[in-house]
Amino acid sequence: AQTVTQSQPEMSVQEAETVTLSCTYDTSENNYYLFWYKQPPSRQMILVIRQEAYKQQNATENRFSVNFQKAAKSFSLKISDSQLGDTAMYFCAFMIYGGSQGNLIFGKGTKLSVKP
Amino acid sequence: NAGVTQTPKFRILKIGQSMTLQCTQDMNHNYMYWYRQDPGMGLKLIYYSVGAGITDKGEVPNGYNVSRSTTEDFPLRLELAAPSQTSVYFCASRDGLAFTQYFGPGTRLTVL
Repeated sequence: AQTVTQSQPEMSVQEAETVTLSCTYDTSENNYYLFWYKQPPSRQMILVIRQEAYKQQNATENRFSVNFQKAAKSFSLKISDSQLGDTAMYFCAFMIYGGSQGNLIFGKGTKLSVKP
Repeated sequence: NAGVTQTPKFRILKIGQSMTLQCTQDMNHNYMYWYRQDPGMGLKLIYYSVGAGITDKGEVPNGYNVSRSTTEDFPLRLELAAPSQTSVYFCASRDGLAFTQYFGPGTRLTVL
């Protein structure tokens, strides 16, 4: 079975500090992509960052970076200099590359609160 | 460029009623998806389409039907609504050569 596990249902961080959200996944496939999506109260799904599994270099996008450990099937998200606008649900997801579906498989999410 | 649009944004149905959730994308994407998001959960795939005239079931298809007569539109039909279908529904699309999915704003459906 292909699954995503986010072990932290809720987290909080002070404004300007750094926080790391955990994610592990399970798949027997070798070719896939990994994603972090942000869902603010508006419920719009917003892509935060993506990682190609065949790349060893960790992806970064401004204040957001990932720690991708392929052997451990771990894909954590680090948010630096947290801002109040980062308050949202964060979902980890992956997609099998080359499959007929190409759909995203999501974890249950982590609710992040950034406190002033 | 509107991206992926969904209508309606909110809807309340009575048990046994039917309705169609509309989804349109203007990016000429061949892949389209319907997901549902239950409270406290991630999104789960209901149906997907790889192009006009081609659809297939996802993880949770029971109680739903889809059609894809054009590249742009991918409506989701609920027949005989049940309280278990209370959820937020998201439509998404992507280009077949890319791996980023673009999501619509979602439809919050309540079945009473």
